[in-house]
Amino acid sequence: QQQVKQSPQSLIVQKGGISIINCAYENTAFDYFPWYQQFPGKGPALLIAIRPDVSEKKEGRFTISFNKSAKQFSLHIMDSQPGDSATYFCAARAMSGSARQLTFGSGTQLTVLP
Amino acid sequence: EAGVTQFPSHSVIEKGQTVTLRCDPISGHDNLYWYRRVMGKEIKFLLHFVKESKQDESGMPNNRFLAERTGGTYSTLKVQPAELEDSGVYFCASSQDQLAGFYNEQFFGPGTRLTVL
Repeated sequence: QQQVKQSPQSLIVQKGGISIINCAYENTAFDYFPWYQQFPGKGPALLIAIRPDVSEKKEGRFTISFNKSAKQFSLHIMDSQPGDSATYFCAARAMSGSARQLTFGSGTQLTVLP
Repeated sequence: EAGVTQFPSHSVIEKGQTVTLRCDPISGHDNLYWYRRVMGKEIKFLLHFVKESKQDESGMPNNRFLAERTGGTYSTLKVQPAELEDSGVYFCASSQDQLAGFYNEQFFGPGTRLTVL
């Protein structure tokens, strides 16, 4: 059973457009939600993250929106650029308890056309 | 500062053979994680070391997988004997000591792509 569901699987956006990737989770113990960006041949790298005590976090062109009641969160990339073309993974982690691992979504392959 | 390194970058083996993957974490990072991504699916947790001790190995698929972390430095993940369903990309990640209530970023290596024929 997949604990973090991510959509869409792939996304094609024109340069300058808005890219939106959505994730939903089941485990209410999750209280840290990072997004990772992965370029070909590289490992995932932390892009931006949010705790559920806020509904939105913005860093440059990247924004996370968080809806605790719906157990959903999303990544918005404003003014998308060809250099943003990569695979994006949402993830979740419980900050309490002994478990330290990340639970990932299945990834979104983003292509930004020039 | 050097990042997490993994060796080899690619490995192609036949079913029944043995393969050993290596991960060198960032110097000073006590936490080391192994994850695996099977084609097109989510990145799944395999296990977590704190220094040389296995903290959590709940994600290990079966007893064909053996992970070690000698002296709390580098780690190896051995698959013996390999099966077709073991194919995927194996990632290693490391992080600093965990402080209560805070998140210490996990830094990922580039992965080892394993193909079992």
